[in-house]
Amino acid sequence: AQSVTQPDIHITVSEGASLELRCNYSYGATPYLFWYVQSPGQGLQLLLKYFSGDTLVQGIKGFEAEFKRSQSSFNLRKPSVHWSDAAEYFCAVGGTGNTPLVFGKGTRLSVIA
Amino acid sequence: DAGVIQSPRHEVTEMGQEVTLRCKPISGHNSLFWYRQTMMRGLELLIYFNNNVPIDDSGMPEDRFSAKMPNASFSTLKIQPSEPRDSAVYFCASRGGTSGNHEQYFGPGTRLTVT
Repeated sequence: AQSVTQPDIHITVSEGASLELRCNYSYGATPYLFWYVQSPGQGLQLLLKYFSGDTLVQGIKGFEAEFKRSQSSFNLRKPSVHWSDAAEYFCAVGGTGNTPLVFGKGTRLSVIA
Repeated sequence: DAGVIQSPRHEVTEMGQEVTLRCKPISGHNSLFWYRQTMMRGLELLIYFNNNVPIDDSGMPEDRFSAKMPNASFSTLKIQPSEPRDSAVYFCASRGGTSGNHEQYFGPGTRLTVT
Protein backbone atom coordinates (compact mmCIF):
# COMPACT_ATOMS: atom_id res chain seq x y z
CA ALA A 1 0.00 0.00 0.00
CA GLN A 2 1.08 3.52 -0.67
CA SER A 3 2.08 5.73 2.22
CA VAL A 4 3.78 9.06 2.79
CA THR A 5 5.75 10.09 5.84
CA GLN A 6 6.61 13.66 6.68
CA PRO A 7 8.84 13.30 9.75
CA ASP A 8 8.72 16.94 10.81
CA ILE A 9 5.44 18.20 12.23
CA HIS A 10 6.66 21.77 12.68
CA ILE A 11 9.74 23.63 11.45
CA THR A 12 10.81 27.17 12.23
CA VAL A 13 13.30 28.99 10.04
CA SER A 14 14.58 32.54 9.87
CA GLU A 15 13.63 34.69 6.93
CA GLY A 16 16.33 34.43 4.29
CA ALA A 17 17.53 31.04 5.49
CA SER A 18 17.38 27.91 3.39
CA LEU A 19 14.67 25.35 3.84
CA GLU A 20 14.35 21.61 3.38
CA LEU A 21 11.17 19.70 4.16
CA ARG A 22 11.44 15.96 4.23
CA CYS A 23 9.15 13.45 2.58
CA ASN A 24 9.50 9.70 2.37
CA TYR A 25 7.12 7.49 0.46
CA SER A 26 6.33 3.84 0.17
CA TYR A 27 5.22 2.58 -3.20
CA GLY A 28 6.05 -0.50 -5.23
CA ALA A 29 6.39 1.04 -8.66
CA THR A 30 7.58 4.34 -10.00
CA PRO A 31 5.63 6.88 -7.99
CA TYR A 32 4.05 10.10 -9.04
CA LEU A 33 4.98 12.65 -6.38
CA PHE A 34 3.52 16.00 -5.45
CA TRP A 35 4.03 18.84 -3.02
CA TYR A 36 1.12 21.04 -2.00
CA VAL A 37 1.02 24.18 0.13
CA GLN A 38 -1.86 25.34 2.29
CA SER A 39 -1.89 28.90 3.56
CA PRO A 40 -4.09 29.67 6.57
CA GLY A 41 -7.75 29.59 5.66
CA GLN A 42 -7.05 28.39 2.14
CA GLY A 43 -7.27 25.20 0.15
CA LEU A 44 -4.29 23.17 -1.00
CA GLN A 45 -2.31 24.55 -3.92
CA LEU A 46 0.06 22.50 -6.04
CA LEU A 47 3.71 23.58 -5.73
CA LEU A 48 5.31 21.01 -8.00
CA LYS A 49 5.11 17.44 -9.22
CA TYR A 50 7.37 14.66 -10.41
CA PHE A 51 6.34 12.09 -12.99
CA SER A 52 9.53 10.97 -14.69
CA GLY A 53 12.76 12.24 -16.21
CA ASP A 54 14.91 14.81 -14.46
CA THR A 55 14.86 14.04 -10.77
CA LEU A 56 15.16 17.70 -9.80
CA VAL A 57 11.89 19.49 -10.43
CA GLN A 58 11.16 23.16 -10.21
CA GLY A 59 7.92 24.55 -8.92
CA ILE A 60 6.19 27.81 -8.21
CA LYS A 61 7.34 30.38 -5.66
CA GLY A 62 10.98 29.37 -6.01
CA PHE A 63 10.56 25.85 -4.63
CA GLU A 64 12.27 22.75 -5.95
CA ALA A 65 12.23 19.09 -5.01
CA GLU A 66 14.51 16.19 -5.70
CA PHE A 67 13.37 12.64 -6.26
CA LYS A 68 15.79 10.06 -4.86
CA ARG A 69 14.65 6.56 -5.64
CA SER A 70 17.34 4.90 -3.54
CA GLN A 71 16.14 6.78 -0.48
CA SER A 72 12.43 6.77 -1.34
CA SER A 73 12.47 10.47 -0.73
CA PHE A 74 11.12 13.60 -2.36
CA ASN A 75 12.38 16.48 -0.25
CA LEU A 76 11.25 20.05 -0.86
CA ARG A 77 13.80 22.86 -0.83
CA LYS A 78 14.00 26.60 -1.11
CA PRO A 79 17.27 28.53 -0.96
CA SER A 80 15.89 31.62 0.78
CA VAL A 81 12.64 31.61 2.71
CA HIS A 82 10.30 34.59 2.74
CA TRP A 83 7.84 35.39 5.52
CA SER A 84 5.00 34.66 3.10
CA ASP A 85 6.15 31.03 2.87
CA ALA A 86 4.75 30.36 6.35
CA ALA A 87 2.12 27.68 5.69
CA GLU A 88 1.40 23.97 5.90
CA TYR A 89 3.14 21.77 3.35
CA PHE A 90 1.86 18.40 2.21
CA CYS A 91 3.67 15.71 0.28
CA ALA A 92 1.55 13.26 -1.72
CA VAL A 93 2.02 10.18 -3.85
CA GLY A 94 -0.17 9.00 -6.70
CA GLY A 95 -0.47 5.51 -7.99
CA THR A 96 -1.91 3.71 -10.93
CA GLY A 97 -5.41 4.04 -12.15
CA ASN A 98 -7.81 6.68 -11.01
CA THR A 99 -7.18 6.37 -7.29
CA PRO A 100 -6.82 9.33 -4.92
CA LEU A 101 -3.49 10.80 -3.98
CA VAL A 102 -2.16 9.63 -0.63
CA PHE A 103 -1.14 12.57 1.51
CA GLY A 104 1.34 12.89 4.34
CA LYS A 105 0.24 14.53 7.58
CA GLY A 106 1.87 17.79 6.68
CA THR A 107 4.68 19.98 7.99
CA ARG A 108 3.86 23.37 9.39
CA LEU A 109 6.46 26.01 8.51
CA SER A 110 6.91 29.09 10.66
CA VAL A 111 9.15 31.93 9.50
CA ILE A 112 10.72 34.31 11.99
CA ALA A 113 12.42 37.62 11.40
CA ASP B 1 -11.37 28.37 -15.38
CA ALA B 2 -12.91 29.26 -12.05
CA GLY B 3 -11.39 26.28 -10.30
CA VAL B 4 -13.24 24.04 -7.89
CA ILE B 5 -16.14 25.91 -6.34
CA GLN B 6 -17.51 25.14 -2.90
CA SER B 7 -20.46 26.58 -1.07
CA PRO B 8 -21.06 27.79 1.48
CA ARG B 9 -17.64 28.97 2.60
CA HIS B 10 -18.76 29.06 6.21
CA GLU B 11 -21.59 27.24 7.91
CA VAL B 12 -22.67 27.49 11.52
CA THR B 13 -25.45 25.23 12.65
CA GLU B 14 -26.88 23.69 15.76
CA MET B 15 -26.48 20.10 16.74
CA GLY B 16 -29.12 17.91 15.17
CA GLN B 17 -29.60 20.04 12.09
CA GLU B 18 -29.03 18.84 8.56
CA VAL B 19 -26.04 20.30 6.74
CA THR B 20 -25.45 20.19 2.99
CA LEU B 21 -22.14 21.13 1.46
CA ARG B 22 -21.87 21.72 -2.25
CA CYS B 23 -19.11 21.33 -4.80
CA LYS B 24 -18.72 22.17 -8.46
CA PRO B 25 -15.64 20.48 -9.96
CA ILE B 26 -13.53 21.86 -12.75
CA SER B 27 -15.24 21.32 -16.06
CA GLY B 28 -14.00 18.19 -17.80
CA HIS B 29 -12.63 16.56 -14.68
CA ASN B 30 -13.89 13.04 -14.15
CA SER B 31 -12.89 12.39 -10.53
CA LEU B 32 -14.15 14.16 -7.45
CA PHE B 33 -12.94 13.80 -3.88
CA TRP B 34 -14.33 14.92 -0.52
CA TYR B 35 -11.91 15.52 2.36
CA ARG B 36 -12.26 16.60 5.96
CA GLN B 37 -9.51 18.47 7.79
CA THR B 38 -9.19 18.89 11.55
CA MET B 39 -6.32 19.74 13.84
CA MET B 40 -6.50 16.37 15.52
CA ARG B 41 -6.86 14.08 12.51
CA GLY B 42 -5.35 16.11 9.70
CA LEU B 43 -6.59 15.65 6.14
CA GLU B 44 -8.92 12.65 5.73
CA LEU B 45 -10.39 11.31 2.50
CA LEU B 46 -14.09 10.73 2.99
CA ILE B 47 -15.29 9.51 -0.41
CA TYR B 48 -14.43 9.77 -4.07
CA PHE B 49 -16.27 9.47 -7.35
CA ASN B 50 -15.09 8.49 -10.81
CA ASN B 51 -17.41 9.47 -13.66
CA ASN B 52 -20.11 10.35 -11.11
CA VAL B 53 -20.01 6.87 -9.53
CA PRO B 54 -18.97 6.49 -5.88
CA ILE B 55 -15.91 4.28 -5.78
CA ASP B 56 -14.78 4.23 -2.17
CA ASP B 57 -16.72 5.59 0.77
CA SER B 58 -14.76 3.79 3.46
CA GLY B 59 -13.63 7.11 4.86
CA MET B 60 -17.16 8.29 5.62
CA PRO B 61 -17.20 8.33 9.41
CA GLU B 62 -20.79 7.32 10.06
CA ASP B 63 -24.13 6.72 8.43
CA ARG B 64 -24.95 10.31 9.23
CA PHE B 65 -22.72 11.25 6.32
CA SER B 66 -23.82 10.79 2.73
CA ALA B 67 -22.56 12.06 -0.62
CA LYS B 68 -24.04 12.25 -4.07
CA MET B 69 -22.90 13.24 -7.51
CA PRO B 70 -25.99 13.49 -9.71
CA ASN B 71 -24.02 14.81 -12.67
CA ALA B 72 -20.51 15.68 -13.74
CA SER B 73 -20.74 19.26 -12.53
CA PHE B 74 -22.19 18.93 -9.06
CA SER B 75 -21.73 17.01 -5.84
CA THR B 76 -23.11 17.27 -2.33
CA LEU B 77 -21.96 16.08 1.05
CA LYS B 78 -24.76 15.85 3.60
CA ILE B 79 -24.59 15.39 7.34
CA GLN B 80 -27.82 14.48 9.07
CA PRO B 81 -28.03 14.94 11.99
CA SER B 82 -24.97 17.04 12.61
CA GLU B 83 -22.93 16.81 15.82
CA PRO B 84 -20.31 19.12 17.35
CA ARG B 85 -17.55 16.64 16.49
CA ASP B 86 -18.34 17.18 12.82
CA SER B 87 -16.89 20.67 13.09
CA ALA B 88 -14.06 20.81 10.54
CA VAL B 89 -13.05 22.22 7.20
CA TYR B 90 -14.44 20.17 4.33
CA PHE B 91 -12.61 20.24 1.02
CA CYS B 92 -13.69 19.13 -2.38
CA ALA B 93 -11.10 18.31 -5.04
CA SER B 94 -11.32 17.25 -8.65
CA ARG B 95 -8.98 15.67 -11.14
CA GLY B 96 -8.93 15.10 -14.85
CA GLY B 97 -7.28 12.18 -16.59
CA THR B 98 -7.38 8.49 -15.81
CA SER B 99 -4.03 7.81 -14.24
CA GLY B 100 -2.32 8.67 -11.01
CA ASN B 101 -0.01 11.22 -12.53
CA HIS B 102 -2.59 13.96 -12.56
CA GLU B 103 -2.78 16.35 -9.68
CA GLN B 104 -5.88 17.03 -7.68
CA TYR B 105 -7.24 20.57 -7.64
CA PHE B 106 -8.70 21.67 -4.35
CA GLY B 107 -11.52 24.04 -3.62
CA PRO B 108 -11.27 26.72 -0.92
CA GLY B 109 -13.14 24.59 1.61
CA THR B 110 -16.24 24.95 3.75
CA ARG B 111 -15.63 25.69 7.40
CA LEU B 112 -18.38 23.94 9.36
CA THR B 113 -19.11 24.76 12.98
CA VAL B 114 -21.71 22.71 14.83
CA THR B 115 -22.73 24.13 18.18
